[in-house]
Amino acid sequence: DAKTTQPNSMESNEEEPVHLPCNHSTISGTDYIHWYRQLPSQGPEYVIHGLTSNVNNRMASLAIAEDRKSSTLILHRATLRDAAVYYCIPRENSGYALNFGKGTSLLVTP
Amino acid sequence: NAGVTQTPKFQVLKTGQSMTLQCAQDMNHEYMSWYRQDPGMGLRLIHYSVGAGITDQGEVPNGYNVSRSTTEDFPLRLLSAAPSQTSVYFCASRKTGRSNQPQHFGDGTRLSIL
Repeated sequence: DAKTTQPNSMESNEEEPVHLPCNHSTISGTDYIHWYRQLPSQGPEYVIHGLTSNVNNRMASLAIAEDRKSSTLILHRATLRDAAVYYCIPRENSGYALNFGKGTSLLVTP
Repeated sequence: NAGVTQTPKFQVLKTGQSMTLQCAQDMNHEYMSWYRQDPGMGLRLIHYSVGAGITDQGEVPNGYNVSRSTTEDFPLRLLSAAPSQTSVYFCASRKTGRSNQPQHFGDGTRLSIL
């Protein structure tokens, strides 16, 4: 599995954009980059995934570096409900497990 | 849709007892898995199944058994509970084994072994 590096924690003000970085310098060419988040006392929740191109969905945007060694999850307007641990997970094409690591704990303040 | 349903939500056991954690999904997903999450840690894979009748071990399988007799259900059995198995257990499902498919998680079972 590709190794990932994420900040332990980040803080944002409500209604401001948040950029959550992830380094995955050992990623292979066929690994998708998945992002999940885990709200307090809940199971992980899928956020977004991509391979090479930037991706958008109703929850967030994913910006993938041209060399694919890093990616950034973008929350366009943080809300209090976005306070969670965010996991960046490069995923092998044939792998079954998600290697969650410790993720980034996002604090959103009013 | 209910998604992935786990029962019970909470359980306290004594050392040596056995129990089964239930997991059901109503999305007709082929792939199901069990993870455990210890305090301050990420999730670790216990067992997984790529379809009815097929199971395999993950990263931390010792002390746990699984079976997959139907597409919908994937129970996790603790054979003889130990304090080291105190954890939060999450069940997940995915439509297929392809890596571009998102996983759907249940809300977890919080298990304490005394």
